[in-house]
Amino acid sequence: IVLTQSPGTLSLSPGERAILSCRASQTVNSNYLVWYQQKPGQAPRLLIYGASTRATGIPDRFSGSGSGTDFTLTISRLEPEDYAVYYCQLFDGSPMYTFGQGTKLEIK
Amino acid sequence: QVHLQESGPGLVKPSETLSLTCVVSGDSINSNWWNWVRQPPGKGLEWIGEVSHNGDTNYNPSLKPRVTISVDKSNNQFSLKLSSVTAADTAMYYCARVTSGCATTSCFFDPWGQGTLVTVSS
Repeated sequence: IVLTQSPGTLSLSPGERAILSCRASQTVNSNYLVWYQQKPGQAPRLLIYGASTRATGIPDRFSGSGSGTDFTLTISRLEPEDYAVYYCQLFDGSPMYTFGQGTKLEIK
Repeated sequence: QVHLQESGPGLVKPSETLSLTCVVSGDSINSNWWNWVRQPPGKGLEWIGEVSHNGDTNYNPSLKPRVTISVDKSNNQFSLKLSSVTAADTAMYYCARVTSGCATTSCFFDPWGQGTLVTVSS
């Protein structure tokens, strides 16, 4: 299964709403769709699992949604610390883990 | 608090074997699945494989012929060996945990180690 993230780069100003997309090449179990945030020089950080459940300590401005093949990560009001690269990830049960290619969120 | 720390040579020659270790603290390696993920400079993430406490392994099919992941319960650590490396194996290598039994809920990597950069060059 291939995960395709769009857009590749998203340029927004602080306070704006960010909508990041992750599309799977076939229908997947939404329980297995995960989102990470990665800042330069750091390891990825778990944001959302099960497509919509925020990980411990993740602010409520981050939300995940979707089912089937289309999933979305929404950041309601961008804070300066939210500018980073975001990856979606899928566990397909074979077991195999697949990542999307990432969306870079940059300051406009 | 669970902490993972990678270690190993930062420079490996082409055709040789890359060897890394991940020490786990704050959790027993006698549970869960222990994973390796890599990231070439400026690129995305790639899952390499995982090992359980009893030595069961799962590998990314694209790397399987060259990968061995093993567990050392006495030292609460696990290791990665990648053979016949080329420049394409130059990457940041991360270790990470996946909770056992996650197939009934959600499988994800958490926590992660800070990563170790391995460069393949003569």
